[in-house]
Amino acid sequence: DQQVKQNSPSLSVQEGRISILNCDYTNSMFDYFLWYKKYPAEGPTFLISISSIKDKNEDGRFTVFLNKSAKHLSLHIVPSQPGDSAVYFCAGGLYNFNKFYFGSGTKLNVKP
Amino acid sequence: DAGVIQSPRHEVTEMGQEVTLRCKPISGHDYLFWYRQTMMRGLELLIYFNNNVPIDDSGMPEDRFSAKMPNASFSTLKIQPSEPRDSAVYFCASSLRGVLGNTIYFGEGSWLTVV
Repeated sequence: DQQVKQNSPSLSVQEGRISILNCDYTNSMFDYFLWYKKYPAEGPTFLISISSIKDKNEDGRFTVFLNKSAKHLSLHIVPSQPGDSAVYFCAGGLYNFNKFYFGSGTKLNVKP
Repeated sequence: DAGVIQSPRHEVTEMGQEVTLRCKPISGHDYLFWYRQTMMRGLELLIYFNNNVPIDDSGMPEDRFSAKMPNASFSTLKIQPSEPRDSAVYFCASSLRGVLGNTIYFGEGSWLTVV
């Protein structure tokens, strides 16, 4: 039973436009969330995180929004660049236990 | 700085054989994780250690899987006997709790194919 779900396996966006990647979770106890980016043949790399005490965290072109009541988070990339093409994983978990559950990933393709 | 180092990068083995995957975490990190990536389930947490002690192995799929961490700089994930459905990418990751918001650093993965 997956506790973190990414229902869109793929997303295609034009360069310069906004990419929105979505993620849902089932465990209302989760208090910390992460986004990772993964290129082919490489390990996932950390992108951005958000604590449940916030509803938004921004880092350059990347912004993560958290809606606790809906158990939903999203990653916005503005503007999207071809180099952003990768698989994006979201993860949620309990900060004090340092245990995180990952979604199945969304493959983003940014077209030039 | 060296990241998480995994070996082998690629392994092809026959069903029934023993497979051992190895991991060297980032020096100083006190958490080590083993994940498995499949198309259907994405990244699944198999087991994780804190200060070399297994904390949660509830993600280990079967008794055929075992993991050890004999010291702070080395861990193994063993599959015996291996089956075709074990074919996946296995990632090792480490983190230092409290630093950079519990950022988990992943290795490049071990691509396992069981035929």
